[in-house]
Amino acid sequence: DGGITQSPKYLFRKEGQNVTLSCEQNLNHDAMYWYRQDPGQGLRLIYYSQIVNDFQKGDIAEGYSVSREKKESFPLTVTSAQKNPTAFYLCASSMYQNTEAFFGQGTRLTVV
Amino acid sequence: GQQLNQSPQSMFIQEGEDVSMNCTSSSIFNTWLWYKQDPGEGPVLLIALYKAGELTSNGRLTAQFGITRKDSFLNISASIPSDVGIYFCAGRGNYGGSQGNLIFGKGTKLSVKP
Repeated sequence: DGGITQSPKYLFRKEGQNVTLSCEQNLNHDAMYWYRQDPGQGLRLIYYSQIVNDFQKGDIAEGYSVSREKKESFPLTVTSAQKNPTAFYLCASSMYQNTEAFFGQGTRLTVV
Repeated sequence: GQQLNQSPQSMFIQEGEDVSMNCTSSSIFNTWLWYKQDPGEGPVLLIALYKAGELTSNGRLTAQFGITRKDSFLNISASIPSDVGIYFCAGRGNYGGSQGNLIFGKGTKLSVKP
């Protein structure tokens, strides 16, 4: 089945450690996105990529890094520089930037 | 970053009642999307709107793209318990680059009294 897969669903890390969240899609979409969701807030854009080997910062990119080496994959690294990393992270993709976006199931990251 | 004004923030309704929620923006949009999110899951696309004045239905859900292009509403008719969740609106302006990305409202949390 076509879709977007995020893994793992739950992730625990110690403070000061980097952690990488996986996002894979088999929809042949060009554009991919990472959002952060905190309780009572809307989705905030971390990074986005419109094409392989290219990505742009979103509204809250500080403390995060991404890569887009393959069309299907857009991993997000939460670095130790991110001051408040505990959150629900959502990956999305769309055919092009101006078409509807479809989301993965999310990864809940807890840093202790 | 810019955010949409989505209202109400939350609502309790009796099963069988109709529900209405809306989003407004200070900017003109050329796309409005409505999503539903269940606890611990990713948002699921319900309805996509691309033209001012467009009225689109998906089962018991109906959404409209406002004539001014600065607002949209979502109606749910005859609500049932599985309608519980958080509903998000999202809009996109007619620009490229970072301004061509979706902007999300803060959500409307729907709870249904059994």
